[in-house]
Amino acid sequence: EPEVTQTPSHQVTQMGQEVILRCVPISNHLYFYWYRQILGQKVEFLVSFYNNEISEKSEIFDDQFSVERPDGSNFTLKIRSTKLEDSAMYFCASTSGLVRGGELFFGEGSRLTVL
Amino acid sequence: AQSVTQLDSQVPVFEEAPVELRCNYSSSVSVYLFWYVQYPNQGLQLLLKYLSGSTLVESINGFEAEFNKSQTSFHLRKPSVHISDTAEYFCAVSDGGNTGKLIFGQGTTLQVKP
Repeated sequence: EPEVTQTPSHQVTQMGQEVILRCVPISNHLYFYWYRQILGQKVEFLVSFYNNEISEKSEIFDDQFSVERPDGSNFTLKIRSTKLEDSAMYFCASTSGLVRGGELFFGEGSRLTVL
Repeated sequence: AQSVTQLDSQVPVFEEAPVELRCNYSSSVSVYLFWYVQYPNQGLQLLLKYLSGSTLVESINGFEAEFNKSQTSFHLRKPSVHISDTAEYFCAVSDGGNTGKLIFGQGTTLQVKP
């Protein structure tokens, strides 16, 4: 069964460092998302991406964040200068977008720890 | 703006007992409603969803949820839980808009005890 894969599963970084989280969405999907979950809190929407551009972003997604689809398979989230409060689990998701209210398929997440 | 409230952060229950996980939403437009489950050290998996039609929807592993428009609720129920149902459960809403994004509730930890 096709699945969304994320790497790394866990990354530890120093405050101020750049981090890139990688995702390989399901191959025929057209819409891509990043969510984050700070420990003990709700899953929060960060950004959606379609047709090689951001279609929507939340207020959390400030200038420190960027997304890119550098080739036909990868979808990356970059945090330019990490802060302590960026420590969270980051989930990538994708959907075919062919059906309104369609299911989002999530990866297993990348845990980011900022020291 | 849409929002989702899950009223219980933790629900402890004994094996084979019934359980209800509560979810209320607010939205000014028609919505699509979802329950996702997150098992330990795993990603989010779709459990069931309501798009239209029958207000009672079921999953393959015995969970069901009922869409109640007047009470803006989408509570999740199971008549008899198993140890393997121990997980985090998230209620989510989508307006089916151009981005298809989901708005999640805070999550409810279901702890099934032997």
